[in-house]
Amino acid sequence: DTAVSQTPKYLVTQMGNDKSIKCEQNLGHDTMYWYKQDSKKFLKIMFSYNNKELIINETVPNRFSPKSPDKAHLNLHINSLELGDSAVYFCASSQWGDDYNEQFFGPGTRLTVL
Amino acid sequence: DAKTTQPNSMESNEEEPVHLPCNHSTISGTDYIHWYRQLPSQGPEYVIHGLTSNVNNRMASLAIAEDRKSSTLILHRATLRDAAVYYCILRGGSQGNLIFGKGTKLSVKP
Repeated sequence: DTAVSQTPKYLVTQMGNDKSIKCEQNLGHDTMYWYKQDSKKFLKIMFSYNNKELIINETVPNRFSPKSPDKAHLNLHINSLELGDSAVYFCASSQWGDDYNEQFFGPGTRLTVL
Repeated sequence: DAKTTQPNSMESNEEEPVHLPCNHSTISGTDYIHWYRQLPSQGPEYVIHGLTSNVNNRMASLAIAEDRKSSTLILHRATLRDAAVYYCILRGGSQGNLIFGKGTKLSVKP
C-alpha cells in the first residue's frame, strides 16, 4: 500500500498555465508538507500544514497556493506557471508530536514548464 | 537552524562498511541529528536520528561525537541499493523543520 501518493507523476505544460498537483497520505498523519527540488538537487520546504492549518510558508511566490481539504490531502495549485517553476515537487507527511516526527515522502511530481 | 558539512561524494565497495561523516560545529543543545537518504528518482526516506547517544536501527548506526560537533552514519554492509544521496540534518527540537543541504552522494561498486 502506498503511504504517500502524488498525482500526476509527470506534468508538462506551457508558461502561463495554471496547474495542480495532488497529494494523499494514508498513514493517519496530521501534518503534511510540500518541498521543491530544483535542477541542482537542492530540496527546500515550501509549505507545511498541521490539521489543515498552515504552519510554515517559506518565501514562496503567492502564485503557489496549497489547499488542504482534509488531513489526508494537501494539494498544490500553481497559477501563471513560469520557466523557473520547473522542478520536482515532493509531498510529505508526519505525525506532529511523535518523538522524532519522521517525515514520509511521496515519489515526487516532475513539473516541466515550456 | 545550524549548518552541516558533508563530503560531496564517497565511494564504497559492495558488502563493505561505509562511514559517512557530518560536521556540525554550531549545533545547539536542543538540536537533533537526523539522517535521510534519497535513492535515485525517489523521495527522501528517513534513516536514523539521535541526540547525544549512539543509535542503532535496522538500516544503520549513528555515532555521535562526545562534543556533538560531528557525527558519522555507518552502513555496516553496503549494498548496491544503498547508492543514494545521504543528508545529515540538524533539527531544532523534535518538531523543527528539515533543512536539507547538498548531502553526500554515495556510490557502491559491485
